[in-house]
Amino acid sequence: DGGITQSPKYLFRKEGQNVTLSCEQNLNHDAMYWYRQDPGQGLRLIYYSQIVNDFQKGDIAEGYSVSREKKESFPLTVTSAQKNPTAFYLCASSIHDRGRRGYTFGSGTRLTVV
Amino acid sequence: AQSVSQHNHHVILSEAASLELGCNYSYGGTVNLFWYVQYPGQHLQLLLKYFSGDPLVKGIKGFEAEFIKSKFSFNLRKPSVQWSDTAEYFCAVSNYGGATNKLIFGTGTLLAVQP
Repeated sequence: DGGITQSPKYLFRKEGQNVTLSCEQNLNHDAMYWYRQDPGQGLRLIYYSQIVNDFQKGDIAEGYSVSREKKESFPLTVTSAQKNPTAFYLCASSIHDRGRRGYTFGSGTRLTVV
Repeated sequence: AQSVSQHNHHVILSEAASLELGCNYSYGGTVNLFWYVQYPGQHLQLLLKYFSGDPLVKGIKGFEAEFIKSKFSFNLRKPSVQWSDTAEYFCAVSNYGGATNKLIFGTGTLLAVQP
């Protein structure tokens, strides 16, 4: 079945360490997105990519980095510069259809800084 | 900039009660509108969407939403909720025909249905 796979499901990180969250899709979608979900704040866009080797900052990109070397993959690195990294991270993908179909979401990665 | 407001942060209902969750957006152009649901421990799923045509759209599980352009609103409704509707609900908007499909989400409404 086609879908988005995020791994790991739970991740613990020590302060000062970088950590990379994986996102893979087999839907042949062009666009991919990373959101952060915090209680009471909804989903906030971190980065998005519309095509391979290109990506743009979202609303809260500081302390994060991404790459898009393959259409199927859009990993997110949470760097030590991110001041409050503990959150639930969601990856999504979509086709270019004037936004009509919305997104397909992965099951998320819960990151905890210890 | 686009924004989405969901005014109800927490809603508690008894089974069989009617539900209406408010959603207002700010954007001057043509928009695509969505409601997503996140059941406990599950990923976000699309409930329904609107991009053109009949402003009353029907989604899965008996949900519907009405787009009122003059009010910039897209409220979600269900005539009779069930315990299994307990979840968090997110309204989202994107710019129709824009360069990206970027979705802007509201802050979510946590619905608890008591049996």
